[in-house]
Order: sequence, then structure tokens, then C-alpha cells
Amino acid sequence: DAKTTQPTSMDCAEGRAANLPCNHSTISGNEYVYWYRQIHSQGPQYIIHGLKNNETNEMASLIITEDRKSSTLILPHATLRDTAVYYCIVSSNFGNEKLTFGTGTRLTIIP
Amino acid sequence: DAGVIQSPRHEVTEMGQEVTLRCKPISGHDYLFWYRQTMMRGLELLIYFNNNVPIDDSGMPEDRFSAKMPNASFSTLKIQPSEPRDSAVYFCASGRDRVNEQFFGPGTRLTVL
Repeated sequence: DAKTTQPTSMDCAEGRAANLPCNHSTISGNEYVYWYRQIHSQGPQYIIHGLKNNETNEMASLIITEDRKSSTLILPHATLRDTAVYYCIVSSNFGNEKLTFGTGTRLTIIP
Repeated sequence: DAGVIQSPRHEVTEMGQEVTLRCKPISGHDYLFWYRQTMMRGLELLIYFNNNVPIDDSGMPEDRFSAKMPNASFSTLKIQPSEPRDSAVYFCASGRDRVNEQFFGPGTRLTVL
């Protein structure tokens, strides 16, 4: 897996957009960018993934730069329930490729 | 769907005892994963199965750990004998088609005294 770099922690005001950056400068052509989050005392939760186009679902949007060396996860209207550790992972969908969770970004939503 | 079900949710045992953790994946999912999470080491993949067959067990720490998947709806992770350093939260996850979209269970918090 390509290595990712994320800030250790971030704060965001409730109701504002939370923008979580991730650097993955060594990503290869067949590797996707995945985002998971882990709310305290729960199992990780899949959020979204993408290859090179921007993606949006009911939870979040994923913006991937044209060179694919970085991406941003956007939670459009953060709520207190979005307080969690967010993991950015790069992995291909081929063969026995596995997810490798790093240390992630601890996002705290401030009331 | 009920999601991934794990039991027990909490387990406290003494060093040397056998521990068995159980997992029921989401119906229709053909991948099953076992992870371990500790403060020191974070979230680590121990082993995963595809269609009930173990594919990669390179993360299993040592021979004291074993995992089985006798059918598509049930898997176990066994530790025998248990040691205090095995204390952790153990997560089971399942997936379908794409290996990397995984659905995690609530975890089992294991404490070995």
C-alpha cells in the first residue's frame, strides 16, 4: 500500500463543512483512495472511495487532485456525531490487496 | 440487515485460559476479516477469508491464535493459551465483491488478567 499522511487532529464548528486532507504522493495508477471513520468505542465505518474522479454520497464528498497525490474528504454540514477518527487509505481492488489503517485524523466537532 | 454480529461483547479471562471470539457476517458477504486494535499498535489485520477459505493469515501473531470459518455465516477466532498482551478490541468485518469496502462489527473487548 502507498503511504498516506494525515494531520493528527482537527477541530470544526458544528454546522460548518469539515475538510480533511490526505497526502498520498506515492499512489500508483491502480490504487483507490478509501476513507473510513471510527467513532469512539465502535468499529470502523466505510465512508467513501474514489480512483480519480470526485465522488459524492449521502455521507461525504471526496475530492482527488488531478495528479492524485492528495485528496480531501468533505463533510458538508458537520454535526457532533461526526466526531471520530478519520482514516485515509490507499489500496487497489486487485488480488489479495488489504486495507492498512494508519493513525488517522482525530476530528472534533465543536458545538 | 442486522449488520455484523460479534459475541461476546466483553470478555475477561485469566492468563492461560482459552478464549473464543465469534462472528456472524452480513448475509451474502463472501469476505470475512478479523482485526485487532490496541492503543500501541492501532488497527491490525489478523486474517481474512474468501468463500470460507483463509486467504491471508500473515497478521496472526503466533501459533496461539487460530481462526476458522466452517460456513458462510459463522467464524471463530481462538486464542489458546491467552496472555495479558492479547488484551485488545477484536473486530470482525465482512464484505462483498470489493475487498476494501468492509462492514465492521461492534467488536469484542478482551481483557486477559
